[in-house]
Amino acid sequence: DAKTTQPTSMDCAEGRAANLPCNHSTISGNEYVYWYRQIHSQGPQYIIHGLKNNETNEMASLIITEDRKSSTLILPHATLRDTAVYYCIVRPLGSGGSNYKLTFGKGTLLTVNP
Amino acid sequence: KAGVTQTPRYLIKTRGQQVTLSCSPISGHRSVSWYQQTPGQGLQFLFEYFSETQRNKGNFPGRFSGRQFSNSRSEMNVSTLELGDSALYLCASSLVRYNEQFFGPGTRLTVL
Repeated sequence: DAKTTQPTSMDCAEGRAANLPCNHSTISGNEYVYWYRQIHSQGPQYIIHGLKNNETNEMASLIITEDRKSSTLILPHATLRDTAVYYCIVRPLGSGGSNYKLTFGKGTLLTVNP
Repeated sequence: KAGVTQTPRYLIKTRGQQVTLSCSPISGHRSVSWYQQTPGQGLQFLFEYFSETQRNKGNFPGRFSGRQFSNSRSEMNVSTLELGDSALYLCASSLVRYNEQFFGPGTRLTVL
């Protein structure tokens, strides 16, 4: 699976947009970009995933660059409850390799400040 | 639709005891995976079950076992507990294999 690089930590003011970057320069054509987050001591929460088009759901938007080497997760109006570690991972859909399991890196600790 | 549920949420055991953790997947989801999460090792894969069969197993000793029932509910068992087994145990379900996984709240196991 392609490796990802994320900043260790970021701050965001409550009510502002939080933009979390992720680099995945070795991503393969069949690999999707997934985002999860984990609030302290809770189970990880699935946020969104995408292949090459921008995606939006009720939680967030995912912007993937045209060359697919990087992406940005956008929380449009961050709240204090969005404080969490955010994980960007890439994995192919479908069988093959170790795709049956999720592997998280260190992620980005997003702190939303009042 | 209800999310993944795990019971119990918290558990305190002593060394040498055994423990059984339970997971109920999202309704309609047929694949269940178990993970162990610790501050030092991060998220580590334990097992994957689909159609009552273990499909994959992580690099854990035989003290860790699991099963899946016909209703897709799953249990994992850890025998002869060790201090190092203290961790957050997470269950994740997906509609079918290799799809996005949805996690439960976890069971926090403390071994004294």
